[in-house]
Amino acid sequence: DIVMTQSPLSLPVSPGESASISCRSSQSLLRSNGYNYLDWYVQKPGKSPQPLIYLGSIRASGVPDRFSGSGSGTDFTLKISRVEAADVGLYYCMQAEQAPRTFGQGTKVEIK
Amino acid sequence: QVQLQESGPGLVKPSETLSLTCTVSGGSIGDHYWSWSRQPPGKKLEFIAYIHNSGDTNYNPSLKSRVTISLDTSKGQFSLRLSSVTAADTAIYYCARLTKAMTVPFIYHYFDLWGRGTLVTVSS
Repeated sequence: DIVMTQSPLSLPVSPGESASISCRSSQSLLRSNGYNYLDWYVQKPGKSPQPLIYLGSIRASGVPDRFSGSGSGTDFTLKISRVEAADVGLYYCMQAEQAPRTFGQGTKVEIK
Repeated sequence: QVQLQESGPGLVKPSETLSLTCTVSGGSIGDHYWSWSRQPPGKKLEFIAYIHNSGDTNYNPSLKSRVTISLDTSKGQFSLRLSSVTAADTAIYYCARLTKAMTVPFIYHYFDLWGRGTLVTVSS
């Protein structure tokens, strides 16, 4: 299975600042179609997980442009610009390049 | 809006079969894939299986011998059965919908809707 590793595991951020989460995969997620088969999800306190980014950089419906995904191959980053209190939660990366889909361990974003 | 709700026993005895149901409300089964994942305490989320109303299924090889996923379109439900459970199967179980990305010229599905999750403990 492809192993997904996130860092940091905990990320305290002040409101208005930017936050970046790293996700590394044990194998390349880049396919010949030029897309990286990587998604980002967030689980806010008391809520169901919800999608943020798919195929490495495409924002899911309704996701504000403060969230952006970048990277290719084995190294990926989720950036949250102008962090708000509502952004608190657990952020996960997940690869869909190879079955079975596998997740990172999650990064807890909290407000300072 | 479409919502997913997991239901089933919160406590299962070792060696028995864990059975969970996910009810789709506010919408139909339609042309989506429906899935189960789980998260044991302190561990990563783990994909278990998905199913489509065409009959297409996919299982995590590590669980395949013990897992059955099924779909009841008339009830708007899909189910998970996990046999011969042990303490290692204690986890929060999530049902989720996989939807087709419409912004790319190839087929790609991502999880666009999740249930709240239900804790299942395996203990005698």
